[in-house]
Formats: sequence, structure tokens, C-alpha cells
Amino acid sequence: DADVTQTPRNRITKTGKRIMLECSQTKGHDRMYWYRQDPGLGLRLIYYSFDVKDINKGEISDGYSVSRQAQAKFSLSLESAIPNQTALYFCATKRTSGGGELFFGEGSRLTVL
Amino acid sequence: AQTVTQSQPEMSVQEAETVTLSCTYDTSESNYYLFWYKQPPSRQMILVIRQEAYKQQNATENRFSVNFQKAAKSFSLKISDSQLGDTAMYFCAFMDNDMRFGAGTRLTVKP
Repeated sequence: DADVTQTPRNRITKTGKRIMLECSQTKGHDRMYWYRQDPGLGLRLIYYSFDVKDINKGEISDGYSVSRQAQAKFSLSLESAIPNQTALYFCATKRTSGGGELFFGEGSRLTVL
Repeated sequence: AQTVTQSQPEMSVQEAETVTLSCTYDTSESNYYLFWYKQPPSRQMILVIRQEAYKQQNATENRFSVNFQKAAKSFSLKISDSQLGDTAMYFCAFMDNDMRFGAGTRLTVKP
């Protein structure tokens, strides 16, 4: 089983619908991140969390919200999806100390019609 | 906020040859970390190599090596003896409290 699991892997929805992307991890890491990937733009940070009570906005947080339900779970919500939120979304984790790398989930491809 | 720039949207190389991917970054920090990630068509993000800014020695992982020029804020990736399986998107990334990525370079290895 993957250390960082994202659900759903693929989702098609309509404009105005509420969507939740879920992420769970078994690595025991405190830090969790949500990124979106768009062609030509790389990965951009949406939100990140250093622990359950510490949530921070990234560079493109407008239109998104997050919930850190537990150390192992970090969900991303789109309250009212719009077409320009069509993208590939990644969850990632990192251990607290040092400059260790991010460990990524397999991505959630979201299409908003 | 730090920025990461990859100036080569696409590159190609013949199998068994060497290719270098460029990356520059901008930061006022002195302690940070730099990474190269690979994303094959499976879309999985795979760590290729990591460099700690306080280390002057360039990192090496098998066929992958970096040329880290701290004063120039440059961090290029060299792939030697390119293989077909190296075909992927390559992202340069910078980390202090969070990780920021460049726009990526699509590398194609031709047989």
C-alpha cells in the first residue's frame, strides 16, 4: 500500500458543486501539503499544515479550504468548483526536522465542466 | 518569496548521451535545500537528487549529478548515459519552510 494515499484518483464534476479531495498517510510525518499542477506552471502550493492546529495558506489558496482532521489526514475542499480549478492535485508529507524531501501521493485529477 | 525558474520547457537527447537541465532560484536565505523531482507519464513524483545549501560538494546519485553554484543561485541537473526510462518531466524545487517548484522541463530520450 502507498504511504500517502489520495482519493479520488480521478473525478469529473460540474461547476458549482462542492468537492473534497482526501489525503491520508502512514509515514508518521507532521507536515502535510496540497499542491496543484497545471501544464507550464509546475506545482503551486495551495495550503500546508505543520500539525493539526497549524494550517497555513500557500500561494494560491483562494477558492480552496482545508481540514486537518488528524495527524494522518489532510483534506482539500472546493466549496463551489469552477472550470479553472481543473488540474492535477497532489498531497505530500514531510518530516518536521531537517530538509528532507516531500513524499507525494499519486495525485487526484479533477475536471470541472 | 523564493522563486524557481526552469528556462527550458522541452529538451531531447539521444540514448546514451548526456544532457543538462537548468534551474535558477531566488532567495535571501542562506540555509535551504534544493531538489530535482522526476514525473514520468504515470504522474508519480519521484525524488531524483537532493542538495543541501551549506554543503559545497555537488550531490551525485548514480547517473544523476548536480552543479550547484550558490553565489549564482544556480542548480543544474546532469543526466549521464541517458536511458529511455529517463523520459519524463523534471522539476527543480527549493525548500526552506515550504517547497516551491519550477515550471518543469519535459525531457525526451530518443532511441
